[in-house]
Amino acid sequence: GDSVTQMEGPVTLSEEAFLTINCTYTATGYPSLFWYVQYPGEGLQLLLKATKADDKGSNKGFEATYRKETTSFHLEKGSVQVSDSAVYFCALSNLVSGANSKLTFGKGITLSVRP
Amino acid sequence: DADVTQTPRNRITKTGKRIMLECSQTKGHDRMYWYRQDPGLGLRLIYYSFDVKDINKGEISDGYSVSRQAQAKFSLSLESAIPNQTALYFCATSDLGEAANGELFFGEGSRLTVL
Repeated sequence: GDSVTQMEGPVTLSEEAFLTINCTYTATGYPSLFWYVQYPGEGLQLLLKATKADDKGSNKGFEATYRKETTSFHLEKGSVQVSDSAVYFCALSNLVSGANSKLTFGKGITLSVRP
Repeated sequence: DADVTQTPRNRITKTGKRIMLECSQTKGHDRMYWYRQDPGLGLRLIYYSFDVKDINKGEISDGYSVSRQAQAKFSLSLESAIPNQTALYFCATSDLGEAANGELFFGEGSRLTVL
């Protein structure tokens, strides 16, 4: 079945540091790929997405490129802020029947940014 | 008001008790989902429903049941709660187009503790 593997955490960085969070996937067909973010005390919300190979998703200074050859979707940000402290989930969406699809999440990684 | 509302937000109960978590949404979405979140395990799908007459088991449905009372309501029941069901539970929704793009809209979560 489909699966998503994220790098082990937690990650602690100083403000303005460069961020990379690794994500690789296993899936049949042509999945779409996502990063979701969970701020403290809140539910998950979509951060960015890419629906086909070589697409780059971007939002709030974060970027991720859909690499089919390496089955990866690594999240990057050039300069993190304290407000980026959250749990980040990589996910993929694949068809399960007809036009219906289902989301599979990675385990999540906690990012803490120090002032 | 939140588009996806979960009740209760926090609940402490004892082993063997019946518990119901409720979810209601004002987004008009057909698709609804229940996930549980555990530290180090990420989000795992319990049950999902693509419309009022459709109920599907997720990867960890044992010990849980659901009811889709209306398009806007999807409840999760634990008939006889056990301690390893202590977790943070999330309800989520999507419509056909958003599901195909993988975007789910999450509630704020229901924290359940089983003693």
